[in-house]
Amino acid sequence: NAGVTQTPKFRVLKTGQSMTLLCAQDMNHEYMYWYRQDPGMGLRLIHYSVGEGTTAKGEVPDGYNVSRLKKQNFLLGLESAAPSQTSVYFCASSDGTGDYNEQFFGPGTRLTVL
Amino acid sequence: TQLLEQSPQFLSIQEGENLTVYCNSSSVFSSLQWYRQEPGEGPVLLVTVVTGGEVKKLKRLTFQFGDARKDSSLHITAAQPGDTGLYLCAGATYDNAGNMLTFGGGTRLMVKP
Repeated sequence: NAGVTQTPKFRVLKTGQSMTLLCAQDMNHEYMYWYRQDPGMGLRLIHYSVGEGTTAKGEVPDGYNVSRLKKQNFLLGLESAAPSQTSVYFCASSDGTGDYNEQFFGPGTRLTVL
Repeated sequence: TQLLEQSPQFLSIQEGENLTVYCNSSSVFSSLQWYRQEPGEGPVLLVTVVTGGEVKKLKRLTFQFGDARKDSSLHITAAQPGDTGLYLCAGATYDNAGNMLTFGGGTRLMVKP
């Protein structure tokens, strides 16, 4: 099993450009999440999905959109990138149940917006 | 908004020393998870503590959940260079989104040989 994969691994954008980050999981998990990680701030939830065709806002959703057209994929879009969106982005998935529920993370995408 | 304060933010110690990382909140969580993150990789779960006062051991790592389920600690005995990494605590709450995690700011540990 590949677990959770993310593409691309690195990307540099100019202010105003758009891009889509792709997350794929092969564990048949219902729940998927997008986080951003900035120094000293841990991980902050951007958007999440509780199943195919559903999405919801997290803690820091502004400037981002998401889609979950297929259960195994969760896309994160930046319509008009800003320097404040320079960060490392992590996707995670889980089966969403139980006290010992674990989120499985991808390797991350490092995005720089100039 | 639930907040998790993690301390210290940075820790540099010599091999063989002991250390403790703290994770504190004013909010009650259903459970508390500890993750470890290596450079260039995503976080990986180390342990989940669920019951107030619970203590779990993972080799030289001891995790404790506070009685009120608002705080937690990670103690490492006789640290080794292989323990170097970023340690993250995460408080879990449950709603219709399943397991929602609130992360602390992380503790970056460096263990020198």
